[in-house]
Amino acid sequence: EAQVTQNPRYLITVTGKKLTVTCSQNMNHEYMSWYRQDPGLGLRQIYYSMNVEVTDKGDVPEGYKVSRKEKRNFPLILESPSPNQTSLYFCASRAYGTEYSNQPQHFGDGTRLSIL
Amino acid sequence: GQQVMQIPQYQHVQEGEDFTTYCNSSTTLSNIQWYKQRPGGHPVFLIQLVKSGEVKKQKRLTFQFGEAKKNSSLHITATQTTDVGTYFCAGPRWYGGSQGNLIFGKGTKLSVKP
Repeated sequence: EAQVTQNPRYLITVTGKKLTVTCSQNMNHEYMSWYRQDPGLGLRQIYYSMNVEVTDKGDVPEGYKVSRKEKRNFPLILESPSPNQTSLYFCASRAYGTEYSNQPQHFGDGTRLSIL
Repeated sequence: GQQVMQIPQYQHVQEGEDFTTYCNSSTTLSNIQWYKQRPGGHPVFLIQLVKSGEVKKQKRLTFQFGEAKKNSSLHITATQTTDVGTYFCAGPRWYGGSQGNLIFGKGTKLSVKP
């Protein structure tokens, strides 16, 4: 079954304790992305990756790191989490489209992070 | 910078009533996508529109892409409780940017009273 898998689904942790949220896709997609979703703010992009070893900042990258060593995996790293990073996080992937037509984006089930 | 705006932010309807959400981009889009997120769930792709003036239907859902390719709408006829959720539109960050990022609108949250 084609899917994007995120872990953990829920995490409560404390300020400053490094954490990693894993994301894996089995669709051989080139493009992967991380979003955070907050009430009233919609989906805001944190980082994205066009392919292996190619990553770039999205709209809200501060306090986050990513890596793309393998095509299927795109972990999100919070080196020193703070309470303002409490949010619902989604990983997504998609294939490249044609020049004017995008491919559908597939989302993971989400990770709800609470940082105390 | 480039923006994608959606209105309304919230919509409460009685079951059986119609519902429309509107999406406006500050720039011309090569295409626009629509997603639905059920409560507690993740966004799920609904459809993509590519051509100017395009209209597509999925059962009770009608999607339109404006002639200028800067706006779009989603209309649901005779809403049902299964339509509850947040509807997002999304467009690529630059025209012809099929490999680029999507900019999402903030979404319209639909609630349906039985």
